[in-house]
Amino acid sequence: GAVVSQHPSRVICKSGTSVKIECRSLDFQATTMFWYRQFPKKSLMLMATSNEGSKATYEQGVEKDKFLINHASLTLSTLTVTSAHPEDSSFYICSARGSGGTDTQYFGPGTRLTVL
Amino acid sequence: GENVEQHPSTLSVQEGDSAVIKCTYSDSASNYFPWYKQELGKRPQLIIDIRSNVGEKKDQRIAVTLNKTAKHFSLHITETQPEDSAVYFCAASTSSADGLTFGKGTHLIIQP
Repeated sequence: GAVVSQHPSRVICKSGTSVKIECRSLDFQATTMFWYRQFPKKSLMLMATSNEGSKATYEQGVEKDKFLINHASLTLSTLTVTSAHPEDSSFYICSARGSGGTDTQYFGPGTRLTVL
Repeated sequence: GENVEQHPSTLSVQEGDSAVIKCTYSDSASNYFPWYKQELGKRPQLIIDIRSNVGEKKDQRIAVTLNKTAKHFSLHITETQPEDSAVYFCAASTSSADGLTFGKGTHLIIQP
């Protein structure tokens, strides 16, 4: 149980285009999903917290107009990187927390974004 | 906001020996402390977690200790095996609604 998927696993795009990444909880309902960014050989940095049906809460320094987050259902959250630039190239990982007040976060496999 | 420090950044131990990784946190309101193992190019996997109302938790070869007064927590792996080689991250959060603040990671190398 507690499986989280992400799609796509890898994406290469041209500078200036937008890329959408999907995060799904496959066998549980996720009231809250989180988006993290991880640079090579570095730690995970929280970008935003997304609750189903409400606006995402962004961490300080994260541009909400650049990283659009939608959490339309209890099993799906999307991150759209708008007008991507090479500095947006990174590993984006989502996590999902189940209902019932549990603390445990289950991570997706990540999406490797490369912007040319 | 919360700040989590993790040491060491690299740890090399002989197979069969024990490994200890230490973390400190800054926000006394933090009450949840998970540890994740991440292999290269893969997702972080939860290996053990502890909440602030508990001082120690053990799961087979893995144990975590928490000292709330000193604001530090540690991961202990006994009888290390080659498959324990990975990057280990500690993390902290103040509530189940919040995201995690991660330490910078420890690259654990098990020498055969």
